Amino acid sequence: GQNIDQPTEMTATEGAIVQINCTYQTSGFNGLFWYQQHAGEAPTFLSYNVLDGLEEKGRFSSFLSRSKGYSYLLLKELQMKDSASYLCAGRGFKTIFGAGTRLFVKA
Amino acid sequence: DARVTQTPRHKVTEMGQEVTMRCQPILGHNTVFWYRQTMMQGLELLAYFRNRAPLDDSGMPKDRFSAEMPDATLATLKIQPSEPRDSAVYFCASGLPEIGANTEAFFGQGTRLTVV
Repeated sequence: GQNIDQPTEMTATEGAIVQINCTYQTSGFNGLFWYQQHAGEAPTFLSYNVLDGLEEKGRFSSFLSRSKGYSYLLLKELQMKDSASYLCAGRGFKTIFGAGTRLFVKA
Repeated sequence: DARVTQTPRHKVTEMGQEVTMRCQPILGHNTVFWYRQTMMQGLELLAYFRNRAPLDDSGMPKDRFSAEMPDATLATLKIQPSEPRDSAVYFCASGLPEIGANTEAFFGQGTRLTVV
């Protein structure tokens, strides 16, 4: 079967670091995506991992462990505008999205 | 400014009516996805096309939903008859084929459907 699990909500403080975890089960795994979605808007692409390890892109980094079926998104130097939902999506024979983690950044 | 365009942005309709949502994928993209998003279910894949051919529509209730790509510039999602439980935001996304590439999906702004 295919399944994506991630926490429902997280809260963090401006300027801090937050890690959003995702575990997945997909048939024919071929990569893991992270998307950001602000309320009332469309999801936008953040990162893509297909090999094990850490991919860094500015304040955002994404990690993948294929053997553990595990990924995380790391956000550094949090800003208020980072308050959004973060969707983990596993691509196998089809792309399956998790329900998303709502991140609240407080001052 | 390449983007996925969806129409209408908002639709309110009465139960039993037919609803048609349209999507113009980014020029050159040959994979098109239809997703439905609700608070309870999150983002669900309804249908997936490649080169206008439906590859997977297993997420779609077949009795009332239908998805087509009449040509490479237009994808449609129809609901007939609509029911209140169909109320959701429907997203269309397009991308390029997979296989080793970072083939992110570019999402349209969505159609917010309310069935009363």
